[in-house]
Amino acid sequence: NAGVMQNPRHLVRRRGQEARLRCSPMKGHSHVYWYRQLPEEGLKFMVYLQKENIIDESGMPKERFSAEFPKEGPSILRIQQVVRGDSAAYFCASSPRRIGSGGFQETQYFGPGTRLLVL
Amino acid sequence: GQQLNQSPQSMFIQEGEDVSMNCTSSSIFNTWLWYKQDPGEGPVLLIALYKAGELTSNGRLTAQFGITRKDSFLNISASIPSDVGIYFCAGLEGANSKLTFGKGITLSVRP
Repeated sequence: NAGVMQNPRHLVRRRGQEARLRCSPMKGHSHVYWYRQLPEEGLKFMVYLQKENIIDESGMPKERFSAEFPKEGPSILRIQQVVRGDSAAYFCASSPRRIGSGGFQETQYFGPGTRLLVL
Repeated sequence: GQQLNQSPQSMFIQEGEDVSMNCTSSSIFNTWLWYKQDPGEGPVLLIALYKAGELTSNGRLTAQFGITRKDSFLNISASIPSDVGIYFCAGLEGANSKLTFGKGITLSVRP
């Protein structure tokens, strides 16, 4: 039973280039969450998506960042015109249903992450 | 935004010792989760807690959901070298589906 898969595991970009990070959720999971981790910090929520819908993007920077989760295929986190401050580990998590709505004991399962380095 | 407080940043223990880690918040959470992260990997779920006062074990790990719903602790008994890593607490607030994480505690185990 494969877990959450992310690729690439490592990505190097020069300033101004685009970065595309992919996430395939666990089988049977239709809810995807993206988090960013800076060195020696905890994970910070970015965006929550369900198939073809953005549910909560309150943690996404207003510019250059976008996310999608199409009907077919992986979820994509896209960073346009990357800057050095975008260097971080980006993690994707998935769950089979919406969590936090009460009466439903479930959690989020994380992928191995993509380490983005902007030169 | 909300923060979960974990301290100290690092802990050093001898193999075989028990260790306890705390996580506190200024607001109420309705789910508490403990994750472990190894270098270069993603967080792996250790224990999930869903009810105030709940005490749950997973092998040598025991975690409790505080009665006030503003704290949780994780206890590791009889530590072994592979317990080395970063331990994060995370919480869910209200109907939000986004996890709030602490900054983590780096555990070192001396053989």
